[in-house]
Amino acid sequence: DAGITQSPRHKVTETGTPVTLRCHQTENHRYMYWYRQDPGHGLRLIHYSYGVKDTDKGEVSDGYSVSRSKTEDFLLTLESATSSQTSVYFCAISVGATYEQYFGPGTRLTVT
Amino acid sequence: GIQVEQSPPDLILQEGANSTLRCNFSDSVNNLQWFHQNPWGQLINLFYIPSGTKQNGRLSATTVATERYSLLYISSSQTTDSGVYFCAVVGQTGANNLFFGTGTRLTVIP
Repeated sequence: DAGITQSPRHKVTETGTPVTLRCHQTENHRYMYWYRQDPGHGLRLIHYSYGVKDTDKGEVSDGYSVSRSKTEDFLLTLESATSSQTSVYFCAISVGATYEQYFGPGTRLTVT
Repeated sequence: GIQVEQSPPDLILQEGANSTLRCNFSDSVNNLQWFHQNPWGQLINLFYIPSGTKQNGRLSATTVATERYSLLYISSSQTTDSGVYFCAVVGQTGANNLFFGTGTRLTVIP
């Protein structure tokens, strides 16, 4: 257990509404990541953070923003949700000199 | 990014059988991990194995980095082994994010 929690675990929202997902870690790891999982694609990186206020884009960042004001929290925001953002969202941390990654339990988001 | 291909895409086994899952990747890597996604969606770390061989109980993995592939062996399979197995790699340039394959879906029947 890498001490990662995600909230909410499930959410249904309407097209056009803003949504924020939270990832919380208890062990002060520097690197945190947001991935999305869609059928036929495995997991793909949305954004990542390498420290407080230090973030960068990943492979599928359009329509998403992130913030990290504290080491333990990494927020993912969909500023105006679309149906194409219906997905399962996973947060991850990387640990130690090897940067081995561990994943949170996921958030299932449905945009209607 | 790095391309990761897994085979076979689907596998059905009788309980007690052995299996080999394969992962090919398109470039040199710093990190290679195997994960099991259980039927509840949880991603469980199996191996961190950028090169060499490791064993953990009934599971073992081998990565031949120079030939850009990794193998996951499951012996004496059990119904609890069912789920999707993912291989994921980190390239030698850029961010330390993982590039995932599309997985092998394993079903073990009693």
